[in-house]
Amino acid sequence: DTGVSQDPRHKITKRGQNVTFRCDPISEHNRLYWYRQTLGQGPEFLTYFQNEAQLEKSRLLSDRFSAERPKGSFSTLEIQRTEQGDSAMYLCASSPHQPSNYGYTFGSGTRLTVV
Amino acid sequence: KQEVTQIPAALSVPEGENLVLNCSFTDSAIYNLQWFRQDPGKGLTSLLLIQSSQREQTSGRLNASLDKSSGRSTLYIAASQPGDSATYLCAVQNTGFQKLVFGTGTRLLVSP
Repeated sequence: DTGVSQDPRHKITKRGQNVTFRCDPISEHNRLYWYRQTLGQGPEFLTYFQNEAQLEKSRLLSDRFSAERPKGSFSTLEIQRTEQGDSAMYLCASSPHQPSNYGYTFGSGTRLTVV
Repeated sequence: KQEVTQIPAALSVPEGENLVLNCSFTDSAIYNLQWFRQDPGKGLTSLLLIQSSQREQTSGRLNASLDKSSGRSTLYIAASQPGDSATYLCAVQNTGFQKLVFGTGTRLLVSP
């Protein structure tokens, strides 16, 4: 297992366009999380899945944002009608169901620039 | 609402120094606390995780301590190296919740 994978690494889009990001978690992890990080700040929680169920969504996740994890494996995060304020690093993480000594494992992130 | 603060915001030291990074949190009802490293433009790498019942964890030159009652954790880096230059983030997971709450990080520069 190579860890948490995110694709693409970088995305530049024009304001108003839709974008979709993908995250492949560690295969044996049933919990998957999305975070957003702006420059100079710590990551902020967006949403999390246990298997295919989306169990929590932050108020940061406006109606333009939607996340799915259709088969409890990979997840997608879609942003519709992008705005310049959506420019950020989008981080995906996964964790096992049972407590462990390893906690979260993060991916390398997708850097979104809205121009 | 859990709030996490990290001090200092930035730190510059010569190679070989021992250093301490501080993290404080407002709600002591935590499940665990995790320290991460982030290189510029990259994702997060987990360094150490301390469960709420533990007082400290060690990995190589890194030692993290936790004082839950006072809402504090420290990350001690021994014999710092230029390769340690990065941003160090502290994050807490509250009991009963899955999300992590992050501090804004300490940006460390170790010069040769």
